[in-house]
Amino acid sequence: QQQVKQSPQSLIVQKGGISIINCAYENTAFDYFPWYQQFPGKGPALLIAIRPDVSEKKEGRFTISFNKSAKQFSLHIMDSQPGDSATYFCAATSGTYKYIFGTGTRLKVLA
Amino acid sequence: SAVISQKPSRDICQRGTSLTIQCQVDSQVTMMFWYRQQPGQSLTLIATANQGSEATYESGFVIDKFPISRPNLTFSTLTVSNMSPEDSSIYLCSVAETEAFFGQGTRLTVV
Repeated sequence: QQQVKQSPQSLIVQKGGISIINCAYENTAFDYFPWYQQFPGKGPALLIAIRPDVSEKKEGRFTISFNKSAKQFSLHIMDSQPGDSATYFCAATSGTYKYIFGTGTRLKVLA
Repeated sequence: SAVISQKPSRDICQRGTSLTIQCQVDSQVTMMFWYRQQPGQSLTLIATANQGSEATYESGFVIDKFPISRPNLTFSTLTVSNMSPEDSSIYLCSVAETEAFFGQGTRLTVV
């Protein structure tokens, strides 16, 4: 029940395309869902986050879509760029800041 | 956002030895955590570093193997004791106030 399932494991997208990464959770006590971006040799950096009282949040080219009834949320990267090539992790927490992380998605954007 | 400095950034250690990783934050924070990220894997929470008291460990992690200190609100250490090659991972310090942030990580290789 504490798991966060993330897919796909890897993703290749053409420059300018849309990258979509999906996550699903089971614990209905989770109330905060961040996405992290990690480049090789670096720690994860907070990208965007959402709470379950909204269905969508957009920041620049990054959008989180949230479906509370399905217990699913997804990250959409519009106009994907080679600089977006990184590993993306979804996460969930129930207010304790003890995060449960997804398994990660390696995104490669082709120039 | 908090600025987190971890030292060392990487190390190669002999099996059976111990390594202490330091985490320094540029401001006082209540919540500090230590995570492990095995090669190509997701992040797993090791423990919550509590200021002035013993750390709280997650299932599968014990104090004898991963002793943690938290002498004040800006500093913590994680020791990886009696190391084996299976301990080769990236170890990440994290702090949380309104959001959670991560240090750059310590890449540990045990030979």
